[in-house]
Amino acid sequence: QKEVEQNSGPLSVPEGAIASLNCTYSDRVSQSFFWYRQYSGKSPELIMSIYSNGDKEDGRFTAQLNKASQYVSLLIRDSQPSDSATYLCAVNNIPQPIISSNYKLTFGKGTLLTVNP
Amino acid sequence: DADVTQTPRNRITKTGKRIMLECSQTKGHDRMYWYRQDPGLGLRLIYYSFDVKDINKGEISDGYSVSRQAQAKFSLSLESAIPNQTALYFCATSGVLSGETQYFGPGTRLLVL
Repeated sequence: QKEVEQNSGPLSVPEGAIASLNCTYSDRVSQSFFWYRQYSGKSPELIMSIYSNGDKEDGRFTAQLNKASQYVSLLIRDSQPSDSATYLCAVNNIPQPIISSNYKLTFGKGTLLTVNP
Repeated sequence: DADVTQTPRNRITKTGKRIMLECSQTKGHDRMYWYRQDPGLGLRLIYYSFDVKDINKGEISDGYSVSRQAQAKFSLSLESAIPNQTALYFCATSGVLSGETQYFGPGTRLLVL
């Protein structure tokens, strides 16, 4: 069973601080990694995708990937109250044997982030 | 207009009833998915379809069935609803050009009494 683990939180940070969200995954051959944001009662929306080791920045968001450690993280700089949501980490599942590019995603259970004004 | 739509948005039904949840998309994606979300359990895959002729069970398919009527339409049926199927249901799509990125519909909140 391929697993994606996240700290359920809640993670509470003050407005303007850096929020750090972490995710580990069990399938060593995973190649694609995603962070989704989900507001309460709403659908998940994509924030970032990352495919290569290192950092990827998009505005206030930075995704970090370390395949050797099977670890992906999301940093949110200058956190705002509107960032308060559940953040879902998702990792692709590569079917074995590899016969197509039709992969599924496995989602972590999410980390609840609260940004306090 | 939304790219991925789900109907109904809310549904209350009784134990033993058959109900259908519908998903339509205008993104031109070939892959469609049904998930359910429960508090503390995250998103769990029920069924997925990579094209009209391809239907696959996910991790929790018991008690559910699906129909891929067209590339743009994917329906989820609960043959005989039971209370523990009360959950938030999401449809998602992805396509070749989007890689594995999945795009979600707004969700259907289902209550089984």
